Amino acid sequence: ETGVTQTPRHLVMGMTNKKSLKCEQHLGHNAMYWYKQSAKKPLELMFVYSLEERVENNSVPSRFSPECPNSSHLFLHLHTLQPEDSALYLCASSPTLAELNTGELFFGEGSRLTVL
Amino acid sequence: GQNIDQPTEMTATEGAIVQINCTYQTSGFNGLFWYQQHAGEAPTFLSYNVLDGLEEKGRFSSFLSRSKGYSYLLLKELQMKDSASYLCAFLDSNYQLIWGAGTKLIIKP
Repeated sequence: ETGVTQTPRHLVMGMTNKKSLKCEQHLGHNAMYWYKQSAKKPLELMFVYSLEERVENNSVPSRFSPECPNSSHLFLHLHTLQPEDSALYLCASSPTLAELNTGELFFGEGSRLTVL
Repeated sequence: GQNIDQPTEMTATEGAIVQINCTYQTSGFNGLFWYQQHAGEAPTFLSYNVLDGLEEKGRFSSFLSRSKGYSYLLLKELQMKDSASYLCAFLDSNYQLIWGAGTKLIIKP
C-alpha cells in the first residue's frame, strides 16, 4: 500500500461537469498539499492544509475548491473547469509544515485530468 | 525576482555518468532539492543541499554552490531504470518551494 493514494487516476470531464479528486495518506502526516503539474512546466502549489486548516491559497481560481475533513483526507472539488485546467493534479503530504523546510514531501501518483 | 532553470531533456548511455545542472536566482535561499519522477508515477525525494559542497548517496550525488546559484545532480553507473524526469526546486526566504520544469533523462543501451 502506497503512502499517499489518489483517486481517480484518470478523469475526463466536460466544462459543465462537477467532479472531485480524492487524496488519502496513510503516513500519519499533519500537512497536505495540492499541486498542479502541466507538461514541461514547473509544479504549481495550489493549496496547503495543516491540521485540517487551510494555510495557503496561491490565488487559485474559485472553480477549484479544496476540502480537508481530517488530517488523512484531502479533496479537490472541480466545477465549470476550462480546457487549460487539463493537467496532472498531485497530492502530497509531510509530517508537519516544518518538514517543508527540508523539502521532503511524499507525493501521490496524481490524477490526470482532461477537460473537454 | 526569482527563477530556476534546468535543461528540458538529456540523453545518456547505460553505464555512463550524467550531470544534470540547475541554476537559480533568488534573494532568499533555504536549500535546494532534487526529486525523481518516473513517467506516470509520483515524484520521490532524492536530495537536499543547504550548504555548499557535494552530498553523496550511493550512485547519486548532489552539489550546491550558493554564491553561483548553481546545483547539479550527478548520476553514476547509469541504469535503464534511471530514465525519468529530475526536478530541481529551492526554498525561498518564505519557505516556499520554487520548482524547475524538470529534466527528462533518457538512457540508451
